[in-house]
Amino acid sequence: DTAVSQTPKYLVTQMGNDKSIKCEQNLGHDTMYWYKQDSKKFLKIMFSYNNKELIINETVPNRFSPKSPDKAHLNLHINSLELGDSAVYFCASSQVGPGTSGYEQYFGPGTRLTVT
Amino acid sequence: DQQVKQNSPSLSVQEGRISILNCDYTNSMFDYFLWYKKYPAEGPTFLISISSIKDKNEDGRFTVFLNKSAKHLSLHIVPSQPGDSAVYFCAASETGGGNKLTFGTGTQLKVEL
Repeated sequence: DTAVSQTPKYLVTQMGNDKSIKCEQNLGHDTMYWYKQDSKKFLKIMFSYNNKELIINETVPNRFSPKSPDKAHLNLHINSLELGDSAVYFCASSQVGPGTSGYEQYFGPGTRLTVT
Repeated sequence: DQQVKQNSPSLSVQEGRISILNCDYTNSMFDYFLWYKKYPAEGPTFLISISSIKDKNEDGRFTVFLNKSAKHLSLHIVPSQPGDSAVYFCAASETGGGNKLTFGTGTQLKVEL
């Protein structure tokens, strides 16, 4: 009964390739996020979607394109992969409602992307 | 420009003692603060949070203290247990920020027997 799941868990690919990471949450949340954790372990937000609408887009290269087909899914597509894209990518979700501020985010297990 | 800082990359504590993890922030617009715990090869797990209208929030063995004037918060774990060994991230958010969390770089806590 995984709340937030990501596939694949590991992804090894060559520079210049295009790859996608998928995320699904079964918590009924209306907001989903992508974070990147770099080699220095710094966890930084990339994108946020609320009910399939983009609400946060940090200064991320436009080679990164999120897609939300419905509010339970948020996929991340990366074009022309570069060495610096190697990192762990985390998906998360949250819900604003009674008894919650909406700031408490639930994270997936992460996808370790290695670009060679 | 790192707005949330955890200056201690690691902390070692004996089982049964208190663990105190510290976090400083620079953005005065932050009004909600959270602590996450992370085990290797897993995603961060929400632990405890505090709103800026409070100075303390307690949940079982975990207590978070907020000092707004010093822009400082701390997480106390009492008593510490071996299962608490993990990386702890401090995070902050501001109203109107779209629920965006700004994270610190984490503190590796090791609880020794």
